[in-house]
This record gives sequence, C-alpha cells and structure tokens, in this order.
Amino acid sequence: AQSVTQLDSQVPVFEEAPVELRCNYSSSVSVYLFWYVQYPNQGLQLLLKYLSGSTLVESINGFEAEFNKSQTSFHLRKPSVHISDTAEYFCAVGGGGNKLTFGTGTQLKVEL
Amino acid sequence: SQTIHQWPATLVQPVGSPLSLECTVEGTSNPNLYWYRQAAGRGLQLLFYSVGIGQISSEVPQNLSASRPQDRQFILSSKKLLLSDSGFYLCAWSMAGYNQPQHFGDGTRLSIL
Repeated sequence: AQSVTQLDSQVPVFEEAPVELRCNYSSSVSVYLFWYVQYPNQGLQLLLKYLSGSTLVESINGFEAEFNKSQTSFHLRKPSVHISDTAEYFCAVGGGGNKLTFGTGTQLKVEL
Repeated sequence: SQTIHQWPATLVQPVGSPLSLECTVEGTSNPNLYWYRQAAGRGLQLLFYSVGIGQISSEVPQNLSASRPQDRQFILSSKKLLLSDSGFYLCAWSMAGYNQPQHFGDGTRLSIL
C-alpha cells in the first residue's frame, strides 16, 4: 500500500519569490509520482510526472520536482512564482496498480 | 487528442432524490475510468474505478453505485441521496495499464438540500 503526505496545507508567498511544496510518500514497491494542479471549481490538471530515468522533472510553466528515493520525497519547486500560480496542488503516488493515492493538497496563495 | 466530458457542472438535489452523473471520454479506447469525491480540505477519495465494460471496483461502502455501459462512458448513480453525499465529484481516465497518469474532467458540484 502507498501513502502520501503533503506537509503544508497552505503556503503563502509573494509574487516573484521562490516556493517549495513538500510531498513525502510511503510505498513498499517501485513508485511513480505525479503533481497535479487544481484551479477553483475545476478538475485536476497533470503538472508533471516521474516514471523513471532522471530524478529531476520539469513542467512547461517553470515548475520542477525532484525524486529523492532516500528521503522518500518528491517536492515541487518554482524559482519565481506568479499570481496566476495561485491554486491547490496535489501530489500523487502510483505503485504497480491501476490506482493513484493522492495527498490532501497544498493551497498555494501568491500575493502581490 | 483525448478529451473527457463530465456533466452537469452544478446540481442541487433534495435529500432522498435519485442521482445520475455522466462522464464520457473521446479519442481513446479501453481507458481506465475513475470516480472521485473531493471534500474541502480532505483531498480526493476514490469511489469507483473500472478497467473495462461492466467491470466496476468499489473502494468505499456507500449508497452510490457506478456503471460502465459502454467503453468510454462511466455513470455514477444513487437511488436516494443523503446529505453526506454533497461534494465535488470528479471523473478521470487513464490509459490502460499500471501507473498511468490520470486525466480529470471539470467536475460536478453536488449540493444536497
């Protein structure tokens, strides 16, 4: 069985500042990791994924996440946030089946 | 490209009334299909998933049911809604196979009065 812990329920940050959203996972099998973003009253959108290979994965809008097996983490980072990045972010883990396990989400609020 | 449609976007129903939410996927064949419920501050709860027509796996006991009458159609139903059924319902699909990323519809906001 897998589990995901998103350590921060809310992260306030000023525009153009860096941000890190933390995600830790637990799994007894090889893992596949995902970050999703959800804007208000919308579904979740896939932001980036780690399946294998390079431990650093990037999205098209400047986010990146690094798979750290020893620390069982998959933290999401962005060096400079924009007001439009305000949203809820979900980390998810898959482990050899048809299902994903989602964290409880981190609300990122970017302030001017 | 693949698209997922989910409707209605918003629904207000009285306690004890029936429910039918529909989800369809276009542009792919034999997808895995999923129904989630999202409560504020509690993340996503997987309700049902399906790997093929007529194959439904239920994750939590409740008064909801799901059906997959066609390859790319997934329906969430209830005979009698409870107040606790209020929430944001999301349908998702993935390619067949393990550890595939899931792709979500825009959700249905269900309010029970």
